[in-house]
Amino acid sequence: AQSVTQPDIHITVSEGASLELRCNYSYGATPYLFWYVQSPGQGLQLLLKYFSGDTLVQGIKGFEAEFKRSQSSFNLRKPSVHWSDAAEYFCAVAPDTGRRALTFGSGTRLQVQP
Amino acid sequence: AAGVIQSPRHLIKEKRETATLKCYPIPRHDTVYWYQQGPGQDPQFLISFYEKMQSDKGSIPDRFSAQQFSDYHSELNMSSLELGDSALYFCASSQQGLGNTQYFGPGTRLTVL
Repeated sequence: AQSVTQPDIHITVSEGASLELRCNYSYGATPYLFWYVQSPGQGLQLLLKYFSGDTLVQGIKGFEAEFKRSQSSFNLRKPSVHWSDAAEYFCAVAPDTGRRALTFGSGTRLQVQP
Repeated sequence: AAGVIQSPRHLIKEKRETATLKCYPIPRHDTVYWYQQGPGQDPQFLISFYEKMQSDKGSIPDRFSAQQFSDYHSELNMSSLELGDSALYFCASSQQGLGNTQYFGPGTRLTVL
């Protein structure tokens, strides 16, 4: 079974600073990889996804993520954080066999200081 | 663009009551998923449907059941509600051929008193 680890429960960055959220996965092959963002009490919004090909993927809101097979990682980055980025970020994986459930990491709560 | 619709958005029930949550997937999406997110937790998969047939099953209690109808909307039925069922319930939908990209609805917040 696949699993996802987000080692950072809580991260605080200053507005304008760069951001990297870590995600490590465990799976026998290369899974489908996703990052979602959730504001308090809200739904999950898809930021970006990786299926195959270019290991650096671009998403919405200026986010990007890099897939590193050798490290089983899919870290999320943003060069300059805005106050509106404060939210919970979830990394998720799904088998590459289609129509399978997502397995989520425990999430990283991002706080942005003015 | 059309999104996943869930109703109701908020629901308050007493213990041992029943609840029905509804989900309307994005048009032309053929798969619906249900997830449960407890306070401070990550979403946990409950059950999914593909073309109106149960596709996969996760940690769904026996007190819960779900189905997908001919118009592709889905309902999650919850009986004998317990305090621990208080959570956000998300529905997501996906379309074959799009790499299982799941788009989530806004969720239904269920509070059991």
